[in-house]
Amino acid sequence: EVQLVESGGGLVQPGRSMKLSCAASGFTFNNYDMAWVCQAPKKGLEWVATISYDGSSTYYRDSVKGRFTLSRDNAKSTLYLQMDSLRSEDTATYYCARQVTGYPHFDYWGQGVMVTVSS
Amino acid sequence: DIQMTQSPSSLPASLGERVTISCRASQGISNNLNWYQQKPDGTIKPLIYYTSNLQSGVPSRFSGSGSGTDYSLTISSLEPEDFAMYYCQQDASFPPTFGGGTKLELK
Repeated sequence: EVQLVESGGGLVQPGRSMKLSCAASGFTFNNYDMAWVCQAPKKGLEWVATISYDGSSTYYRDSVKGRFTLSRDNAKSTLYLQMDSLRSEDTATYYCARQVTGYPHFDYWGQGVMVTVSS
Repeated sequence: DIQMTQSPSSLPASLGERVTISCRASQGISNNLNWYQQKPDGTIKPLIYYTSNLQSGVPSRFSGSGSGTDYSLTISSLEPEDFAMYYCQQDASFPPTFGGGTKLELK
């Protein structure tokens, strides 16, 4: 059974950093691109970033470029999102998702982890 | 970025009813349109990919159609577990973008 389990969220002050993790199981992790999608309170879904299966390529939405860094450890089947210089508008639930190529879509999602940026 | 517009934003409906949710892209997306369901606890479930392909385990009462800029999700006969939020998403052009969501609620 495919499982994606996020961790690392919580309350953080503006300008500080936070690192999210996503532990994957039930599939061959290094065969898949992975992504983070966020959802601000009472808002819709928004793609944040994607990393290629081997970690060689990363893609970010404009609002997080230069502040967020996506990485993966294929030996540990774990995805990471390092979030620096956090802003109040980064407050959201962050979902880890497996991304399928071919007919591109997100075919498995984690349960989400809440990040609150507030003083 | 391609803008995705869903309608309606809210859809009151009854058990057993047939409903359709629409999704319009700001430019053609060549059938690269996916649908997701989100339950009140935040759980997100993929339903349909590439316009009309059901994800494994999704009941056959769900179907998708469309082309060009206009797409739709149809539920043929509503079950209690279908009342949730629904989002469309395009992956034809970077970055992938989502519609604003449709809340399917019990009338």
